[in-house]
Amino acid sequence: AQSVTQLGSHVSVSEGALVLLRCNYSSSVPPYLFWYVQYPNQGLQLLLKYTTGATLVKGINGFEAEFKKSETSFHLTKPSAHMSDAAEYFCAVIPPGYGNKLVFGAGTILRVKS
Amino acid sequence: DGGITQSPKYLFRKEGQNVTLSCEQNLNHDAMYWYRQDPGQGLRLIYYSQIVNDFQKGDIAEGYSVSREKKESFPLTVTSAQKNPTAFYLCASSLGMVTNYGYTFGSGTRLTVV
Repeated sequence: AQSVTQLGSHVSVSEGALVLLRCNYSSSVPPYLFWYVQYPNQGLQLLLKYTTGATLVKGINGFEAEFKKSETSFHLTKPSAHMSDAAEYFCAVIPPGYGNKLVFGAGTILRVKS
Repeated sequence: DGGITQSPKYLFRKEGQNVTLSCEQNLNHDAMYWYRQDPGQGLRLIYYSQIVNDFQKGDIAEGYSVSREKKESFPLTVTSAQKNPTAFYLCASSLGMVTNYGYTFGSGTRLTVV
């Protein structure tokens, strides 16, 4: 079965530091890839997605992610963390042949220290 | 503005009771989904519906039921057969079989068994 692994259930960075949230998927055929953000007691908001084309994808709030087929990875980065980035982040995939059903990773809680 | 409305935001259930969570969308999306969120487990698919009057079980359908009588509405009933219903429930919608747009999420319902 298709799976999504997010390395690190909690990540802590200082304000202004680089944010790196890791995501790996298990599939020999690249799936569609997504990053979502969730603030406490709210729904999920789409940050960015990769379907085809350019492997470096830019999203909202200064985030970007790079699809690396050889590493089966889709890590999320932001050059400079802001206090408002503190939230939970989910990597998700739509595996090939899976219709349009999203499969989610377990999530990474990002803490930003002042 | 178009979006997804979930109600209520908080819900309390006594042991042995059935409760129904509401999900309404005005995005003209064909597909709708219900996910359950537990800490550290990401989101798990309960049920999904691609068209009116049709729905399929997801990964954790036991103890839940749904209906899709209207395109805009996809209510979820948590039955007494669900032994551990305390969780955060998220409803989502998408353009159906168009797989590269991702989902739009509602703001969730937090269900607690008392």
